[in-house]
Amino acid sequence: DVKVTQSSRYLVKRTGEKVFLECVQDMDHENMFWYRQDPGLGLRLIYFSYDVKMKEKGDIPEGYSVSREKKERFSLILESASTNQTSMYLCASSDLGHPGYFGPGTRLTVT
Amino acid sequence: DQQVKQNSPSLSVQEGRISILNCDYTNSMFDYFLWYKKYPAEGPTFLISISSIKDKNEDGRFTVFLNKSAKHLSLHIVPSQPGDSAVYFCAARMKTSYDKVIFGPGTSLSVIP
Repeated sequence: DVKVTQSSRYLVKRTGEKVFLECVQDMDHENMFWYRQDPGLGLRLIYFSYDVKMKEKGDIPEGYSVSREKKERFSLILESASTNQTSMYLCASSDLGHPGYFGPGTRLTVT
Repeated sequence: DQQVKQNSPSLSVQEGRISILNCDYTNSMFDYFLWYKKYPAEGPTFLISISSIKDKNEDGRFTVFLNKSAKHLSLHIVPSQPGDSAVYFCAARMKTSYDKVIFGPGTSLSVIP
């Protein structure tokens, strides 16, 4: 059974903190994605990676960075968390161009 | 401005009937369209897709129709089952940026037993 796992289901952080969201896939997929989901806006692409150490900006990269040191792991970093980054964060992986498998999501609250 | 629109936030259908979920898009550069399904507390799962060279794609109870001239696609579920109750996201991909998939806001489907 294919799996995309995310390190936390719920996270509460303070404004200004550095936040790490981890994602691991066990399908040996080349492509990995980070999205955020907000009511009325659907899923918006933050960053994606098509290979180890490779990354591309999505539609809303501001305030975020990513790291992909190993094929199976893709990390999203909030350099200095702000309240407008309170959201549901979804990681996905794929061996096609579009995201095929999503993780369960991390609901991040920044206070 | 949203490039992929799902104007119905929610839809209720009786079990056994047809569910029709609609999606409109504004960008004529989109060449591939996808539907995802999301249950509460889970990530979305890919459901069905259609290329712009086709006008219909069928997979079991799910059929997607594409009307390029109207920039409109729809997902038909026949017959609807209570397990189909979920949020459905329409998504589109551009020719020039095949990794960048644009999602609509979603439609919440409730299938009533």
